[in-house]
Amino acid sequence: EAEVAQSPRYKITEKSQAVAFWCDPISGHATLYWYRQILGQGPELLVQFQDESVVDDSQLPKDRFSAERLKGVDSTLKIQPAELGDSAMYLCASSPRQGKGETQYFGPGTRLLVL
Amino acid sequence: GNSVTQMEGPVTLSEEAFLTINCTYTATGYPSLFWYVQYPGEGLQLLLKATKADDKGSNKGFEATYRKETTSFHLEKGSVQVSDSAVYFCALSDGSSNTGKLIFGQGTTLQVKP
Repeated sequence: EAEVAQSPRYKITEKSQAVAFWCDPISGHATLYWYRQILGQGPELLVQFQDESVVDDSQLPKDRFSAERLKGVDSTLKIQPAELGDSAMYLCASSPRQGKGETQYFGPGTRLLVL
Repeated sequence: GNSVTQMEGPVTLSEEAFLTINCTYTATGYPSLFWYVQYPGEGLQLLLKATKADDKGSNKGFEATYRKETTSFHLEKGSVQVSDSAVYFCALSDGSSNTGKLIFGQGTTLQVKP
């Protein structure tokens, strides 16, 4: 069964450093999502792509976060500089297309700890 | 705005007990509703979904009915197993924007004891 791949699985960094996360969605999935999950809470959407275009980045802290999906396949989420409050699980998900009834398939996540 | 509220956990049950996890929502338009499950150390997996009022989603013995009149989507299972121990998230997908963006509740931890 096809899965969403993410790397690294774990990342420890010091504040003010740059970090990057990578996501490879299920082949053929046009829609890609990045969510942030703070411990004990539900995931919150950071950015959504439809192919290579950003659909929604309203909750992305654009002063320090950036995301790209250059060829409409895999995606990178970057934080520069990292802050203590960025410690969280970063989840990538994909779906065949966007729409309210579409199932999103999640990767295992990248757990970030900022010291 | 759109929001999802789940019953607070943790919920601790004995094996074979009946499970209910309450979920209510606030939304504009006609959302789709989902239950996702997160096992320790893993990402979220879809458990079941319903896309319109009165639909019942079901999977692996779990079921939930989309109740528009009470804005609820409560998760139930007749007989839980130790392997059901996980965190359960209720979520909605906004019907007015149709982007597919999910809005999650805070999650409910279920622990099933042998």
